[in-house]
Amino acid sequence: SQQGEEDPQALSIQEGENATMNCSYKTSINNLQWYRQNSGRGLVHLILIRSNEREKHSGRLRVTLDTSKKSSSLLITASRAADTASYFCAIFTREGTYKYIFGTGTRLKVLA
Amino acid sequence: DAGVTQSPTHLIKTRGQQVTLRCSPKSGHDTVSWYQQALGQGPQFIFQYYEEEERQRGNFPDRFSGHQFPNYSSELNVNALLLGDSALYLCASTYPGVTDTQYFGPGTRLTVL
Repeated sequence: SQQGEEDPQALSIQEGENATMNCSYKTSINNLQWYRQNSGRGLVHLILIRSNEREKHSGRLRVTLDTSKKSSSLLITASRAADTASYFCAIFTREGTYKYIFGTGTRLKVLA
Repeated sequence: DAGVTQSPTHLIKTRGQQVTLRCSPKSGHDTVSWYQQALGQGPQFIFQYYEEEERQRGNFPDRFSGHQFPNYSSELNVNALLLGDSALYLCASTYPGVTDTQYFGPGTRLTVL
């Protein structure tokens, strides 16, 4: 079973607005990563935040991590129609053997 | 520099058949992981190959097996296909010694009828 859960499951916003999606997880982590997936194709790596980091920026993306609450958020600022995609968080954990565990995803639709 | 490639792009099989999916990792990468992504779900880890050995495995039955070749490419085999095996199968590779950043291929869409 997947340990990552994202909310909302779906989000619809207007172009130019900000989009925020959240990820919660259950285990200890080494890092947490966010991926984008367009129309059921391969995953594109967006950003990685390590367990000792609290915030990270990359272009229009801002990621926060709260390990005490076992949660992360992804903010996309000034959204564009091209940002329409599914977004997944993935935790990288060394509990047991190391592995990635993906969340259930947030489907973002940006309306032009 | 080619990224991760997978073949075929799409595949249709019937229940009980066997299927082989192929993956070539990104240049310089030596570790390959396979994931199953059912419609509307996140990817689920199947197994990982390193130095031609299965290094770790997710919660998948023995019908799912794999192989890694000396050139680091990999195959995923699924025997006795079930309707529930219909999914997008993703391959990901990582650079030697860097285990925390994966690069994904475009996936193979398997439909089992």
